[in-house]
Amino acid sequence: DAGVIQSPRHEVTEMGQEVTLRCKPISGHNSLFWYRQTMMRGLELLIYFNNNVPIDDSGMPEDRFSAKMPNASFSTLKIQPSEPRDSAVYFCASSRVGYGYTFGSGTRLTVV
Amino acid sequence: DQQVKQNSPSLSVQEGRISILNCDYTNSMFDYFLWYKKYPAEGPTFLISISSIKDKNEDGRFTVFLNKSAKHLSLHIVPSQPGDSAVYFCAARVLIQGAQKLVFGQGTRLTINP
Repeated sequence: DAGVIQSPRHEVTEMGQEVTLRCKPISGHNSLFWYRQTMMRGLELLIYFNNNVPIDDSGMPEDRFSAKMPNASFSTLKIQPSEPRDSAVYFCASSRVGYGYTFGSGTRLTVV
Repeated sequence: DQQVKQNSPSLSVQEGRISILNCDYTNSMFDYFLWYKKYPAEGPTFLISISSIKDKNEDGRFTVFLNKSAKHLSLHIVPSQPGDSAVYFCAARVLIQGAQKLVFGQGTRLTINP
């Protein structure tokens, strides 16, 4: 079991550029979550999917953020255009009901 | 609207003593509470949990206490060890449309001093 795999581990981009973060959940897990870690708000839930269907995207900060889950083994979080205030660590997690979350190692995004 | 709050951003404890981390919540629909531990450059990992129908759960050096009337939970670590130095996140679970949603607090950075 390779765990939840996120890529890239680090991303540095210029303001205005498009950024795509990727996540491969654990096989057999039917829920996938995108979180953002900030000092002020801790781990902030952006969006989550159940059986590849978005359930709640109320945490997505703006229309610049979008997420997709085209199949059970892959999800993307896209920011277009990126801004310096988007700089944070973004985590993906997966789970199945009755079991805890397993987090990936995160993507550290820096927008300059 | 922060439904789960950890009001202490940091805590420093001497090795061998007890560490107490606190967490408050506002939503009565939460049915499970969890603590996660996070080391630098890693994702959070599960530490211990408690059902809303219990008031205490113990696992080795770690004990979680739940006070439902006060909407408060705490994590006790005794004795504290240098390897316990990490950021600890409190989380609360609610089931929505067949999925379990975890709401996290801001985290508390625990430092254990030798």
